[in-house]
Amino acid sequence: ELKVEQNPLFLSMQEGKNYTIYCNYSTTSDRLYWYRQDPGKSLESLFVLLSNGAVKQEGRLMASLDTKARLSTLHITAAVHDLSATYFCAAYRGRSQGNLIFGKGTKLSVKP
Amino acid sequence: ETGVTQSPTHLIKTRGQQVTLRCSSQSGHNTVSWYQQALGQGPQFIFQYYREEENGRGNFPPRFSGLQFPNYSSELNVNALELDDSALYLCASTLRQQAPSTDTQYFGPGTRLTVL
Repeated sequence: ELKVEQNPLFLSMQEGKNYTIYCNYSTTSDRLYWYRQDPGKSLESLFVLLSNGAVKQEGRLMASLDTKARLSTLHITAAVHDLSATYFCAAYRGRSQGNLIFGKGTKLSVKP
Repeated sequence: ETGVTQSPTHLIKTRGQQVTLRCSSQSGHNTVSWYQQALGQGPQFIFQYYREEENGRGNFPPRFSGLQFPNYSSELNVNALELDDSALYLCASTLRQQAPSTDTQYFGPGTRLTVL
């Protein structure tokens, strides 16, 4: 059974600092997604990682995937307050089962 | 904006009642998934429809049922509501193609259901 674990679950950062969110998944998955959710809002797609060694960057966020270690990371560079949100990773179960398995999310708070 | 809409935005029901939630997929998307997100948790997969057929189901009882229509809109029906059904219900649409693709799911804004 595919399970996804994120850590940390809560992260309080100061502006300008760097940090990494970790996402481990328990069985083979051929793609990994990262989403952002603001309070009371829906999920915004950030990255889709399709292969081992994949790295994608958008602004201050960079995501990577190591399929051998079953690990994805979301690295935050020089955090700013606007990045405060909850970040979810989700592993894909494949078309025949057609769904995403989400982690519990990492609630990020960036303070001045 | 993802182009996925849901209605209603908020809903209050009492235990034992039935509810229908609606989702309008992004134009041309042939796959819709429904998720339940309890407060402080990640979304949990309920089921998925591909070309109007159920194509995968999560660990939810049969009182959770769905439909997908030819225009790719869809419904989630929940019978005999329980207090634990209180959650944010999200639909997500995808364009599933023959060729390999990202199968990215685009989420709607959700319906907040409260069961009293």
